[in-house]
Amino acid sequence: EAQVTQNPRYLITVTGKKLTVTCSQNMNHEYMSWYRQDPGLGLRQIYYSMNVEVTDKGDVPEGYKVSRKEKRNFPLILESPSPNQTSLYFCASRGKGPAYEQYFGPGTRLTVT
Amino acid sequence: GQNIDQPTEMTATEGAIVQINCTYQTSGFNGLFWYQQHAGEAPTFLSYNVLDGLEEKGRFSSFLSRSKGYSYLLLKELQMKDSASYLCAVLPFYQKVTFGTGTKLQVIP
Repeated sequence: EAQVTQNPRYLITVTGKKLTVTCSQNMNHEYMSWYRQDPGLGLRQIYYSMNVEVTDKGDVPEGYKVSRKEKRNFPLILESPSPNQTSLYFCASRGKGPAYEQYFGPGTRLTVT
Repeated sequence: GQNIDQPTEMTATEGAIVQINCTYQTSGFNGLFWYQQHAGEAPTFLSYNVLDGLEEKGRFSSFLSRSKGYSYLLLKELQMKDSASYLCAVLPFYQKVTFGTGTKLQVIP
């Protein structure tokens, strides 16, 4: 089954404690992205990757890091989480070419206290 | 810059037709997507338009006018399960999908 998986699905942590949210896709997609979704602000892109070792900032990259060492994996790293990073996070992947839809992971609800 | 506008909320009656509009101003254009998102769930793909005109897919249709920077999603024979947020997204560049804030649709009996 074609899918994007994310872990964990729910996470409560404290300010400053480094965390990683994993993302993996099994569709051999070139493009992967991380989004955060906040009420009234919609989905905002954090980082995206066009292929292995190729990443770039999206609209709200501050406080986040990513890496793309393998095509299937695209982890999101919060080195020092803060309460304003409390949000719903989605990983997504899509094939190369404009007509390809994005497939989204199930989401990770992060709370930073 | 990128700017995508949609109404925040809409209400419609079960069995009726509803049109959700989206206007956009982006620095490039390689297509427009519509996604459906139920509360707390991931968005799911509904349609993709890159040429002007209407694309029909069952009860859902999507229209695009590139010269006007305008699209709409038409939902026919509304069902209660259609209560969800509908996200308009533009592809200014191949690797970057920019989303509007979404339209929350409530279907009432």
